[in-house]
Amino acid sequence: AQTVTQSQPEMSVQEAETVTLSCTYDTSENNYYLFWYKQPPSRQMILVIRQEAYKQQNATENRFSVNFQKAAKSFSLKISDSQLGDTAMYFCAFELMNTGFQKLVFGTGTRLLVSP
Amino acid sequence: DVKVTQSSRYLVKRTGEKVFLECVQDMDHENMFWYRQDPGLGLRLIYFSYDVKMKEKGDIPEGYSVSREKKERFSLILESASTNQTSMYLCASRLGGGRVNQPQHFGDGTRLSIL
Repeated sequence: AQTVTQSQPEMSVQEAETVTLSCTYDTSENNYYLFWYKQPPSRQMILVIRQEAYKQQNATENRFSVNFQKAAKSFSLKISDSQLGDTAMYFCAFELMNTGFQKLVFGTGTRLLVSP
Repeated sequence: DVKVTQSSRYLVKRTGEKVFLECVQDMDHENMFWYRQDPGLGLRLIYFSYDVKMKEKGDIPEGYSVSREKKERFSLILESASTNQTSMYLCASRLGGGRVNQPQHFGDGTRLSIL
């Protein structure tokens, strides 16, 4: 079974600074997807970024980028130029790549507070 | 944009009541999901549905059932609510039908309190 571990329950950063959220996972499979989801306070969870395991290049989405280390089974999220709106719960998630049905496995989340 | 609508943001019910949580999506998605979110535990899958009238147990189905009579609607049922079912419940949907690993789209969540 796959597991996802987020070892930082809470983090804080000041506006305009850079912060990195950690995620490690465990799987014996070779083909999978990794995701970072963001859940702002009292708001909808949204997808931030997605990485295919077969791609060596790290995914980026504007200020959000990942550091994907497949051998180390590590998938950290870097937020550059942090903004107050980045305050949220961040979940790392894993899903096997398959034509059949697969389910997301979530980590326990990291609460990020961005302060002025 | 995909819209996943959960019928209530906050709900308070009593122990032993039968509770219905409703979820509707407007993008003709085949797959729908119910999760439970608890502090320190992340999101845990309760039930999912491949398509209309199809349902499968997730990781924590005990005490819950689901119904999917129409493609756009996925209902979570607490047969006899108990205090340990007090939680945030999230509904999600995504394209299925053989399309691989499509992202899930979430509703706003229902914060359910069982007294």
